[in-house]
Amino acid sequence: GESVGLHLPTLSVQEGDNSIINCAYSNSASDYFIWYKQESGKGPQFIIDIRSNMDKRQGQRVTVLLNKTVKHLSLQIAATQPGDSAVYFCAEKARGATNKLIFGTGTLLAVQP
Amino acid sequence: DTGVSQDPRHKITKRGQNVTFRCDPISEHNRLYWYRQTLGQGPEFLTYFQNEAQLEKSRLLSDRFSAERPKGSFSTLEIQRTEQGDSAMYLCASSIHPWDPGELFFGEGSRLTVL
Repeated sequence: GESVGLHLPTLSVQEGDNSIINCAYSNSASDYFIWYKQESGKGPQFIIDIRSNMDKRQGQRVTVLLNKTVKHLSLQIAATQPGDSAVYFCAEKARGATNKLIFGTGTLLAVQP
Repeated sequence: DTGVSQDPRHKITKRGQNVTFRCDPISEHNRLYWYRQTLGQGPEFLTYFQNEAQLEKSRLLSDRFSAERPKGSFSTLEIQRTEQGDSAMYLCASSIHPWDPGELFFGEGSRLTVL
C-alpha cells in the first residue's frame, strides 16, 4: 500500500553553506533524471536534468551527480541562500516511448540565516 | 504573465459532484501534462497530450476522470462523482522540447477538497 509521507526528510543548513540532497531511484531502465524545486503554494520548478550517459552536470550554483551503479542521484547547491528553502524532488523517466516522469517523495531544505 | 495558468485555484465540492479544471499552457508549447499531488508526496502522472492527441494515460486515471485538449491549446480535466480520495492538488504542465522531456513548466495548481 501507499505510505502517507506527511513527514518529509528535512535538511537544515546554514546560509552560505553547501547543500547536498540525495535521491535513490528504483528503475534501472530510467535514462533521464531531473531535479525540481517546489516552494510552498507553487508548482514545481525545473532546476537541472541529466541523461544516463553522463555522471555529472553543472548549472548555476547547482550540480547533479548520477551514480548508475547504485541508482543514486544527488543535487548539490553551492552557497545556499534563504531563497533556496523549498521541497526538492528528483524525478526519473524510463527509457522508451514515454513522457511520464516518476517523482520521488521530496526533501525539505531549510536554510537558517 | 505568460506562464501556465490554471483555473480555479481552489475548489471545494461535496462528494458525488462533478468538477472541471482548466489549464492554459504557455502558448507555443505543444505538450501538455496533468499531474496530481497529495500532501507530502511528489506529483503523480495522470495524462499527457501532444497537440490535441492524448498519447499517454496513467492507471490512476479511472473511468471517472477524463481529460481533453480539443484544439491543441487549453485542456480540461473533469472528475465525475467525486470521492474524498480525489482531494489533491491537480497540476498542469507544458513543454516544447521533445529532447528535454523533463523540462516541464508547471502551473500553480488547482486544489480540490471533497467533503
